[in-house]
Amino acid sequence: GIQVEQSPPDLILQEGANSTLRCNFSDSVNNLQWFHQNPWGQLINLFYIPSGTKQNGRLSATTVATERYSLLYISSSQTTDSGVYFCAVEPGRGSTLGRLYFGRGTQLTVWP
Amino acid sequence: ETGVTQSPTHLIKTRGQQVTLRCSSQSGHNTVSWYQQALGQGPQFIFQYYREEENGRGNFPPRFSGLQFPNYSSELNVNALELDDSALYLCASSSWTSGYNEQFFGPGTRLTVL
Repeated sequence: GIQVEQSPPDLILQEGANSTLRCNFSDSVNNLQWFHQNPWGQLINLFYIPSGTKQNGRLSATTVATERYSLLYISSSQTTDSGVYFCAVEPGRGSTLGRLYFGRGTQLTVWP
Repeated sequence: ETGVTQSPTHLIKTRGQQVTLRCSSQSGHNTVSWYQQALGQGPQFIFQYYREEENGRGNFPPRFSGLQFPNYSSELNVNALELDDSALYLCASSSWTSGYNEQFFGPGTRLTVL
């Protein structure tokens, strides 16, 4: 199946700092989503972004499908941003439509 | 609009027992997928249900089975529980429209097998 690699695995920031999380994938995709997993385990949708750039408040994301990567930007980080960020992709071929393949996540810790 | 719900929140079972987890899809969605998330890992696809039929399966043994009901809610059944089945089980719902298939997840069921 498609490989999804996220970097860095861990990120520690002070409140107010900016950060960039990266997701590389090994094949063409129909769908790419970024999630934030809260301490209780729920996956919160951040972006549905198979290509292009989107912004939502302090967060923005860019996917360059032709180069098989996506970036999640967090600006002016807050302690509530802490948690695990997952990138998940739906392959463009040879897989169940709608099946997501997840990376191992980036554990973000923001200190006050 | 009602989001994806799952029950129960937590569950403790012993090895060899059977368990049923439940998921109600988001209003307007017709597809439910189940994922298993072990500690420190990303979620792994178990299977997907569309129009009450299994529509794709990941690398999980047959003792993992499921159902989808006419109202699009779904169950995940696991027989002969093993210690390694301890995990967070997540369901996701979606509604396929042309070129758009965003998945929305429920809060999960945390299963502990002793």
